[in-house]
Amino acid sequence: AQSVTQLGSHVSVSEGALVLLRCNYSSSVPPYLFWYVQYPNQGLQLLLKYTTGATLVKGINGFEAEFKKSETSFHLTKPSAHMSDAAEYFCAVSEIRGGADGLTFGKGTHLIIQP
Amino acid sequence: DTGVSQDPRHKITKRGQNVTFRCDPISEHNRLYWYRQTLGQGPEFLTYFQNEAQLEKSRLLSDRFSAERPKGSFSTLEIQRTEQGDSAMYLCASSSSGGDYEQYFGPGTRLTVT
Repeated sequence: AQSVTQLGSHVSVSEGALVLLRCNYSSSVPPYLFWYVQYPNQGLQLLLKYTTGATLVKGINGFEAEFKKSETSFHLTKPSAHMSDAAEYFCAVSEIRGGADGLTFGKGTHLIIQP
Repeated sequence: DTGVSQDPRHKITKRGQNVTFRCDPISEHNRLYWYRQTLGQGPEFLTYFQNEAQLEKSRLLSDRFSAERPKGSFSTLEIQRTEQGDSAMYLCASSSSGGDYEQYFGPGTRLTVT
């Protein structure tokens, strides 16, 4: 069965600093990997996804993530944090081709931006 | 394209009552998913429809839960004899089988069982 581990339930960075949110997955087949962001009292919005091909994927709002098969990781980064990045971030995995299955999510990381 | 909508946004009910939630997916999407999210946790998959067929159900979906998508468009999730442990955010998502693999989420229905 697939699983996702997000290291750090809370991450605090200063505005303008590097953002690094960690995600490790477990999957019996090549996975599809996703990062979603959730603002208070809202649904989830996709930041970026890895399906096949290039292992470094770029998403919205300046975020990017790199799929590392040997490390079973898909860490999310952003070079310079902005106050508007404060939110909950979820890593998710899908094992079935075409994404036609329920996603398995990590427990989330709350990103705090210090002024 | 108005996105995925859910109704109601908030529901407060007394223990033992039945509740029903509605989800309207993006119009051209043939896949629809229900998730449950409790405080401090990531969403947990409940069930999945392709068109009107319910193709997958999580073991989290107890006998008190039932979901339908009668015409392959909107879906309903009913919880019978609610319990306090059912208090959560219920999220709906939809996707197409066209291959972008993205699930688009609605704003959720927050259920509080008193």
